[in-house]
Amino acid sequence: DAKTTQPPSMDCAEGRAANLPCNHSTISGNEYVYWYRQIHSQGPQYIIHGLKNNETNEMASLIITEDRKSSTLILPHATLRDTAVYYCIVRSFNDYKLSFGAGTTVTVRA
Amino acid sequence: EPEVTQTPSHQVTQMGQEVILRCVPISNHLYFYWYRQILGQKVEFLVSFYNNEISEKSEIFDDQFSVERPDGSNFTLKIRSTKLEDSAMYFCASKSGSDTGELFFGEGSRLTVL
Repeated sequence: DAKTTQPPSMDCAEGRAANLPCNHSTISGNEYVYWYRQIHSQGPQYIIHGLKNNETNEMASLIITEDRKSSTLILPHATLRDTAVYYCIVRSFNDYKLSFGAGTTVTVRA
Repeated sequence: EPEVTQTPSHQVTQMGQEVILRCVPISNHLYFYWYRQILGQKVEFLVSFYNNEISEKSEIFDDQFSVERPDGSNFTLKIRSTKLEDSAMYFCASKSGSDTGELFFGEGSRLTVL
């Protein structure tokens, strides 16, 4: 029962911004949007999360639409090391596990 | 930066053998998890552990699996009698007590069952 929809893959040019979309049209008021990534077969790595406000950290920015039904993860200057599978996950504040979908495979090209 | 460490990085075992995968979570974390990822498939939740007991488990986590935190630092996953289909990467994760705290994952233990 996927709560999010992401494109299966996308390419990005090195040095350019990568904009990764995610649809979560059934999100409820107590659910956060989390983004993780998995480089090759390494453990998933936390990127950012948000509830309704846009968020920014040293890795990325998260833009959440006003109706909260979709969001975009922005990698401002993609590098080759950003090639990974990116997961958009909806999690309620009292559900402490994460449920991973298929994610978006992002390939950054030189 | 604190990290979750897992051992072994790779284990090869014969079908029917018992396997123990070990994890050292981040020291002040309270919630502990095991996930697995079969090659080419999604990362799947197995079990969560809090306050020395299982708080939630998935359908995958049947009687062949068990977890424990024997000494307050290690967190282990035991598979009693391995099957071919148990071959996967197993990831340990831990989380602080904060409601919105993120999960920190280890680098994984690759289990190959022959």
